[in-house]
Amino acid sequence: NAGVTQTPKFQVLKTGQSMTLQCAQDMNHEYMSWYRQDPGMGLRLIHYSVGAGITDQGEVPNGYNVSRSTTEDFPLRLLSAAPSQTSVYFCASSYRTSGGLTDTQYFGPGTRLTVL
Amino acid sequence: GQQVMQIPQYQHVQEGEDFTTYCNSSTTLSNIQWYKQRPGGHPVFLIQLVKSGEVKKQKRLTFQFGEAKKNSSLHITATQTTDVGTYFCAGSRYSGSARQLTFGSGTQLTVLP
Repeated sequence: NAGVTQTPKFQVLKTGQSMTLQCAQDMNHEYMSWYRQDPGMGLRLIHYSVGAGITDQGEVPNGYNVSRSTTEDFPLRLLSAAPSQTSVYFCASSYRTSGGLTDTQYFGPGTRLTVL
Repeated sequence: GQQVMQIPQYQHVQEGEDFTTYCNSSTTLSNIQWYKQRPGGHPVFLIQLVKSGEVKKQKRLTFQFGEAKKNSSLHITATQTTDVGTYFCAGSRYSGSARQLTFGSGTQLTVLP
């Protein structure tokens, strides 16, 4: 299994440009998430999906769109890039747990995005 | 909203010294997870604690969940250079959905040989 894969690994954009960050997983996980990581701020949830066709907003959704047409793929779209979106973006997947547990996140390698 | 504070932000230790990072939540948690992120890498799940006062060990790592389920700690005994990285706690108010996870800001550990 490749686990969670992300492309590209690095990206530089100019303000106002749009792009899509790709994420795929081959573990048949129901849940997929997008996080951004900024220095000193931990990981913040952008968008979330509990299955194909179902998405929901996280803590910092503004400026980002997602869709989930298949179980495997969960792309993140930046509509009009801004310097404030310079960050490291991690995609994660998880499976449903029970017994008082919270889903364990399996993270991809990340995409390092710079917006000039 | 829920806040999870983690201290210290940075810690430098000499190889062989012990290390502890602390996590405090503004609300009672259902459970707490710990992740490790190596420099340039991605977070990797270490452990999940559920019960009040729970203590779990993984070799030199000891994880503790407070009695009130509002704080947690990770202690590493006799650090090694392989322990270098950033350690994150992630608290959840409700069990189940990872949507409820709130990550701490992390403690970056440097181990000097």
